[in-house]
Amino acid sequence: DIQMTQSPSSLSASVGDRVTITCRASQGISNYLAWFQQKPGKAPKSLIYAASSLQSGVPSKFSGSGSGTDFTLTISSLQPEDFATYYCQQYNSGLTFGGGTKVEIK
Amino acid sequence: QVQLQESGPGLVKPSQTLSLTCTVSGGSISSGDYYWSWIRQPPGKGLEWIGYIYYSGSTYYNPSLKSRVTISVDTSKNQFSLKLSSVTAADTAVYYCASDPVRDIWGQGTMVTVSS
Repeated sequence: DIQMTQSPSSLSASVGDRVTITCRASQGISNYLAWFQQKPGKAPKSLIYAASSLQSGVPSKFSGSGSGTDFTLTISSLQPEDFATYYCQQYNSGLTFGGGTKVEIK
Repeated sequence: QVQLQESGPGLVKPSQTLSLTCTVSGGSISSGDYYWSWIRQPPGKGLEWIGYIYYSGSTYYNPSLKSRVTISVDTSKNQFSLKLSSVTAADTAVYYCASDPVRDIWGQGTMVTVSS
């Protein structure tokens, strides 16, 4: 089975900062990679699928890149509503989530 | 638009079988070659995929849970279901039903506690 290693596990950032989260697959997954945002008490919400395709309604400050084993999620200018936990997920073979990145206010 | 709703007991005794159902509304569970997943999240922890099923009945399970999991589909009721056997306290979690990540449809989640 495919393992997903996400880093960092947490980060502190200020409003307006550019934030990058990385995810590494234990084997190649082409571009079968999604990014989710989860806020406390809520179901996750997809931001990105196919590594770089923005879900409908998701603001363009979110972007994804990568292919094969290495992927990144970038938030270009962090806003108060972006403080949340972010997960990567591979869907090339079954599904596997990364461990999550908690983005906190500095 | 398609919506998902989990239902089932919120409390299960150790060694028993956890059973949950996900009802699909606003669309047919049989439309398109999509899969339907069960995902869980223990309190304060990350997300864990349990398994998924196609409307045809084909299944794919998380290898770490495969020996205890059965996912089934009832197209006549527009539902799919999860059974997890021999539960322990480690199975205490919020259980979500969800679509594939491209369509990104999730239920609200249901908390299941394993306790005597």
